[in-house]
Amino acid sequence: TQLLEQSPQFLSIQEGENLTVYCNSSSVFSSLQWYRQEPGEGPVLLVTVVTGGEVKKLKRLTFQFGDARKDSSLHITAAQPGDTGLYLCAGVSNDKIIFGKGTRLHILP
Amino acid sequence: GAVVSQHPSWVICKSGTSVKIECRSLDFQATTMFWYRQFPKQSLMLMATSNEGSKATYEQGVEKDKFLINHASLTLSTLTVTSAHPEDSSFYICIPSGGGRETQYFGPGTRLLVL
Repeated sequence: TQLLEQSPQFLSIQEGENLTVYCNSSSVFSSLQWYRQEPGEGPVLLVTVVTGGEVKKLKRLTFQFGDARKDSSLHITAAQPGDTGLYLCAGVSNDKIIFGKGTRLHILP
Repeated sequence: GAVVSQHPSWVICKSGTSVKIECRSLDFQATTMFWYRQFPKQSLMLMATSNEGSKATYEQGVEKDKFLINHASLTLSTLTVTSAHPEDSSFYICIPSGGGRETQYFGPGTRLLVL
């Protein structure tokens, strides 16, 4: 069974601080995705990383895919209250999407 | 981008009743349909994978006789929660896949509350 371990599970930090969320697995994925989900809504795709070692930036968010395509990280610079939400990583393998348990992020103003 | 619809978006029912959830891919042919559920404050868990015209493959711990999946066409899949109980209350999301698309498009979800 493929598993994605996501950490931390919860994170509450002050506005302006930086943070990193990690997603790790013993399995290799063809791609890895990061989603953000607001309460009562479905997940919204932020980014897809495909190549080992790939780095993608989305404004203050930096996503990295591990060289071996087993892990990924999401780094947020100068967090803002609007970044509050549930962040999910998801590994894609054989067309199946496996989700991590999520990181609930709360940015304090 | 692709459009995926789910119906109903909300359903409240009494314990013991059956609920059918429809998932439609409106602008591409979904050869595969993934059904997920999400309990409050938890992540999405894959329930089953279905390919058009064949039986669904269920994940471990998901009762196939309780969660009936029909994927009779390339644009429609249904999930029926039979004899629903309060513990089935959850957010159900479909993800159709196919047409060579690399991006997955989520259905908007169906929130089920069983009283």
